[in-house]
Amino acid sequence: ETGVTQSPTHLIKTRGQQVTLRCSSQSGHNTVSWYQQALGQGPQFIFQYYREEENGRGNFPPRFSGLQFPNYSSELNVNALELDDSALYLCASSLGTGGTYEQYFGPGTRLTVT
Amino acid sequence: AQSVTQPDIHITVSEGASLELRCNYSYGATPYLFWYVQSPGQGLQLLLKYFSGDTLVQGIKGFEAEFKRSQSSFNLRKPSVHWSDAAEYFCAVGAMDSNYQLIWGAGTKLIIKP
Repeated sequence: ETGVTQSPTHLIKTRGQQVTLRCSSQSGHNTVSWYQQALGQGPQFIFQYYREEENGRGNFPPRFSGLQFPNYSSELNVNALELDDSALYLCASSLGTGGTYEQYFGPGTRLTVT
Repeated sequence: AQSVTQPDIHITVSEGASLELRCNYSYGATPYLFWYVQSPGQGLQLLLKYFSGDTLVQGIKGFEAEFKRSQSSFNLRKPSVHWSDAAEYFCAVGAMDSNYQLIWGAGTKLIIKP
């Protein structure tokens, strides 16, 4: 059974640019959640996708957007990058959206904005 | 609004000694409670969770946690730590009225002295 994978591992972008991060969910999981983890902090919930629809969003501006594909993999897009977007971006997949479903995390994508 | 506080940024423990990591939460009802561990270069791994029932829950790797409603706490314990337990530990809360979005503490870094 393949776990959650994310690509790329590291990324360096310039302020104002756009970035796309990718996540492959664990086999059989239909729900993907994205988190931003700034250095020295806990993860912050960005949004969740369930069966290709956004199913909840944290306190992030619209320039953070996402997609989920029929195979339940997902993308996180960030437009007009700002220096404060530098962080570890984590993807987690689960069997459902309820609180009792365990979230399985990928290793993350480290984004640096210069 | 829900919040999670982990009062200790760092904790240093000798190998073989006992460990207790503190977590306090703010929420009006009984939340879902989680402890995750994050090792360098690896994704977050669930150690244990509390939804209801017995307030002492057992997790993986010999960890346990106790839910104390009166103190709004969910402290993590281990009777004897191993060098491989060195990592960052996160407490998280999920609440029904926020679609179970996880709210995370800032983490406690565990350092093991040989």
